[in-house]
Amino acid sequence: DAKTTQPTSMDCAEGRAANLPCNHSTISGNEYVYWYRQIHSQGPQYIIHGLKNNETNEMASLIITEDRKSSTLILPHATLRDTAVYYCIVKGQLIWGAGTKLIIKP
Amino acid sequence: ETGVTQTPRHLVMGMTNKKSLKCEQHLGHNAMYWYKQSAKKPLELMFVYNFKEQTENNSVPSRFSPECPNSSHLFLHLHTLQPEDSALYLCASSQDPVTTGGISGNTIYFGEGSWLTVV
Repeated sequence: DAKTTQPTSMDCAEGRAANLPCNHSTISGNEYVYWYRQIHSQGPQYIIHGLKNNETNEMASLIITEDRKSSTLILPHATLRDTAVYYCIVKGQLIWGAGTKLIIKP
Repeated sequence: ETGVTQTPRHLVMGMTNKKSLKCEQHLGHNAMYWYKQSAKKPLELMFVYNFKEQTENNSVPSRFSPECPNSSHLFLHLHTLQPEDSALYLCASSQDPVTTGGISGNTIYFGEGSWLTVV
């Protein structure tokens, strides 16, 4: 039971914003939402995490709904190197789902 | 470079062999992990170590034997594996251990993984 639901795959044009949704309707009050990505044949890479407030760093922005039942990861200006599988994780980062395969197209 | 180094990157072993995977973290973290990633499957947590002590064993078969001599090093000893054990084995670390309770502000840093093929 992955505890999160993500689209299997998404496409995005290079240079445009990539918006990756995640549903975590059973999230507990103190559980963080974490996002990682995994480029083919490499280990997962941390992107961002948040609890209640929206967060932004040099890689991405994280928008969490007020009821905390869903979130969206935003890559503001996607590049070809952002092609990867993106994972949204709760439950203390112990249970991973299948993620979203994001393909950035030229 | 994440600060977590795994060796070897690729390993082919027979079902009767004994081999080991090694992981070293240079981040000063207290917790280390082994994850398994089989083809087309999500990451599966195998073991959690906190300050060298094993705190979680996710029903992993005994043919996988972890060892944590100190907070910076983690091994996975492999013995009499099966072909279905072929997978990417990922080591990771965090400042403090993540827990099943879900309350965690600790980011996990992964190594590049060791690709294991059992023939």
